[in-house]
Amino acid sequence: EVQLLESGGGLVQPGGSLRLSCAASGFTFSIYAMSWVRQAPGKGLEWVSTIGGNDPTTLYADSVKGRFTISRDNSKNTLYLQMSSLRAEDTAVYYCANRAGVGAAGTRYFQHWGQGTLVTVSS
Amino acid sequence: QSVLTQPPSASGTPGQRVTISCSGSSSNIGSNAVNWYQQLPGTAPKLLIYTNNQRPSGVPDRFSGSKSGTSASLAISGLQSEDEADYYCASWDDSLNSHIFGTGTKVTVL
Repeated sequence: EVQLLESGGGLVQPGGSLRLSCAASGFTFSIYAMSWVRQAPGKGLEWVSTIGGNDPTTLYADSVKGRFTISRDNSKNTLYLQMSSLRAEDTAVYYCANRAGVGAAGTRYFQHWGQGTLVTVSS
Repeated sequence: QSVLTQPPSASGTPGQRVTISCSGSSSNIGSNAVNWYQQLPGTAPKLLIYTNNQRPSGVPDRFSGSKSGTSASLAISGLQSEDEADYYCASWDDSLNSHIFGTGTKVTVL
């Protein structure tokens, strides 16, 4: 059974930093691209970032580019999101998901999702 | 701000057919696949339809997807109470170089 378990969320002040983790099990982690998707309270879904499987390619939404860094440790089956210069508008539940499908980005989809971890940016 | 537009709400009685639209443009739906996600109250999203009309294992065949031009649709036939949820379409946008989600549609079973 595929499991994705996020952790690391919490309350942080504006301008602060936080690192999220996502522990994966039940599938061959290293061959899948992995992504972070967030959802602000009462709002819709917003893609945040994606990292390749065995390749280091990373993609970011414009809203987080230059402030967030996605990374992974395939030896630990773990995905990370380092968040810095946090703003109130970064307040959201952050989900990790594996990105499945073959070929170009336009054919990919988020196959399995974790339960999410809440990040609150407030003074 | 999402570039995929969905109606904010849809409803039906048990057994009815409900359709949700998703409108995009040539840079997203017009040239890429559409996927649909279901989010039950208080839970994480779940993949419902991928690559326009494919159902993952375990998704009932009451759910179906289609795409035409720069629009897509999700149909729920034989609506059931457990289908009450938020539904999001999603695609890739070649101009934004980003995954994008629709605005979301809340389905209510009357």
